[in-house]
Amino acid sequence: DAGITQSPRHKVTETGTPVTLRCHQTENHRYMYWYRQDPGHGLRLIHYSYGVKDTDKGEVSDGYSVSRSKTEDFLLTLESATSSQTSVYFCASRDSGNYEQFFGPGTRLTVL
Amino acid sequence: AQSVTQLDSQVPVFEEAPVELRCNYSSSVSVYLFWYVQYPNQGLQLLLKYLSGSTLVESINGFEAEFNKSQTSFHLRKPSVHISDTAEYFCAVSVRDNDMRFGAGTRLTVKP
Repeated sequence: DAGITQSPRHKVTETGTPVTLRCHQTENHRYMYWYRQDPGHGLRLIHYSYGVKDTDKGEVSDGYSVSRSKTEDFLLTLESATSSQTSVYFCASRDSGNYEQFFGPGTRLTVL
Repeated sequence: AQSVTQLDSQVPVFEEAPVELRCNYSSSVSVYLFWYVQYPNQGLQLLLKYLSGSTLVESINGFEAEFNKSQTSFHLRKPSVHISDTAEYFCAVSVRDNDMRFGAGTRLTVKP
């Protein structure tokens, strides 16, 4: 298994506060992804990165920003959390030329 | 954009019975197809994939899926399920790099 960790694993926060979720991979994978998982929707792509400092928007990017300053780390920031951002967030990574994405264990975020 | 429909949100079956989890997709171009499995409180793991070649693909734990281009389907089957197969299964489709779309998921419950 690819070594992908996410921190924190659980977080409860209040509406309007900033939140940063961290994804760390030890496989030197070029591509990294942030998804959110909601009942009835499966996983939806928020943002992805195709290299250090190279990122792009996904299907549901509004209200989220990302940064990738090192190959191994991909940060997801909610500048001002809203209740609609209560979800389970998954990070994934993959290598060039390999379509398989390896997923982290997820972060459960609750915005009150 | 491509989309994925998983026709059953929940599938209850008895142990040792056969099972089929249905997946249909829509796309105007060639696709890559995937099935992922998610066990409780874990991230997603790749079960099997179709990229090209033989339309029947198999996993190491007895699941198989067949790519049917005319029916735009990629149904997942197993001839005899075990209790340990209880999980949520996600079908996913990709037409190009960094754009993977997931279905809403099918929760398979295997009863003794």
